Amino acid sequence: EPEVTQTPSHQVTQMGQEVILRCVPISNHLYFYWYRQILGQKVEFLVSFYNNEISEKSEIFDDQFSVERPDGSNFTLKIRSTKLEDSAMYFCASSEIQQGANEQFFGPGTRLTVL
Amino acid sequence: GNSVTQMEGPVTLSEEAFLTINCTYTATGYPSLFWYVQYPGEGLQLLLKATKADDKGSNKGFEATYRKETTSFHLEKGSVQVSDSAVYFCALRTGGSYIPTFGRGTSLIVHP
Repeated sequence: EPEVTQTPSHQVTQMGQEVILRCVPISNHLYFYWYRQILGQKVEFLVSFYNNEISEKSEIFDDQFSVERPDGSNFTLKIRSTKLEDSAMYFCASSEIQQGANEQFFGPGTRLTVL
Repeated sequence: GNSVTQMEGPVTLSEEAFLTINCTYTATGYPSLFWYVQYPGEGLQLLLKATKADDKGSNKGFEATYRKETTSFHLEKGSVQVSDSAVYFCALRTGGSYIPTFGRGTSLIVHP
């Protein structure tokens, strides 16, 4: 069964460093998403992406964050200068369409630890 | 705004015990309600859903009934197995939005 994959599973970085989290969505999906979950808190929406553009973003997704689909398969989240509070589990998801009851398929997550 | 509140975990049970994980919500409009499950090392998977009041979602022996009068969507299973050990997330979506609002997740640990 097709699945969303994410790498690395765990990333440790120093505060102020740039990190890139990688995702490979399901191959025929057109819509891509990033969510995060700070330990003990709720899963929060960050951004959605379609047709090489951001279609929606939350207030969390500030100028420190960017997303890119550099080739036909990868979807990346870049944090330009990490802060301690960026430590969280980051989930990628993809879907065939966006609206209605359409299901988003989630990856296993990347745990980011900022020291 | 929308919000989802789940019972705190971990919930620890013996195999074949009855499971209830409570979920209540606050939403504008008429939400669709979901339970997702995350097994160790895997992504969140949609477990079941209900789109209107009194609907019952069910899958893999799990059930949840959409209760509009109590704004609840509690997850139940009559007899849990060790393989049910996972984190369970309650979520909702309203209107035409594709963005779910999640709860914090409840960890379930089932011992043999």
